Amino acid sequence: EVQLVESGGGLVQPGGSLRLSCAASGFTFSNNWMSWFRQAPGKGLEWVALIKPDGSDKYYVDSMKGRLTISRDNAKDSVYLQMNSLRAEDTAVYYCASSIRTPWSWDYWGQGTLVTVSS
Amino acid sequence: QSALTQPPSASGSPGQSVTISCTGTSSDVGGYNHVAWYQQHPGKAPKLMIYEVSDRPSGVPDRFSGSKSDNTASLTVSGLQADDEADYYCSSYAGARHWVFGGGTKLTVL
Repeated sequence: EVQLVESGGGLVQPGGSLRLSCAASGFTFSNNWMSWFRQAPGKGLEWVALIKPDGSDKYYVDSMKGRLTISRDNAKDSVYLQMNSLRAEDTAVYYCASSIRTPWSWDYWGQGTLVTVSS
Repeated sequence: QSALTQPPSASGSPGQSVTISCTGTSSDVGGYNHVAWYQQHPGKAPKLMIYEVSDRPSGVPDRFSGSKSDNTASLTVSGLQADDEADYYCSSYAGARHWVFGGGTKLTVL
């Protein structure tokens, strides 16, 4: 059974940093593209970052570029999202997702982790 | 403001059909056949319902169907059931390994 489990969310002050983790199981992690998405309270979904299976290429939403770093450890079946210079508008549930059986879309999602940026 | 435009709400009675539209541009919806639809119940993670405009992942009922014409994609839910009540989001590949979403449509089963 495919499982994605995010962790690392919490309350952080404006300007602070946070590192989210996503542990994967039930599939060959090293073969698959991984992405992070976010959803602000009461708002829609937003794609945030993407990483290639071998970690060599990374892509970011323009609005957060320069403040994000996506990475992965295929030995640990995990993907990470380092977020810096956080702002109140970054408050959201952050989801990791994988594209396993459906090309150009995301067929497995984690349950999400809440990031709250507030003083 | 979302990159793709969806109606904020849609509704139908049990057994009826409802169609949700998703309008983008030639740089996303109109430029690629990489349109997907996600269902999200309150407090839950999104669930992929349609990918590549009209393909259904294993396990998704054939009551859900997708199509596209020019810059507008559509999701049709036939034979509405109570459990179909949820938020629906369209998504499109937008080039350069970027994806965009619609603002979401709240589907109410009357």
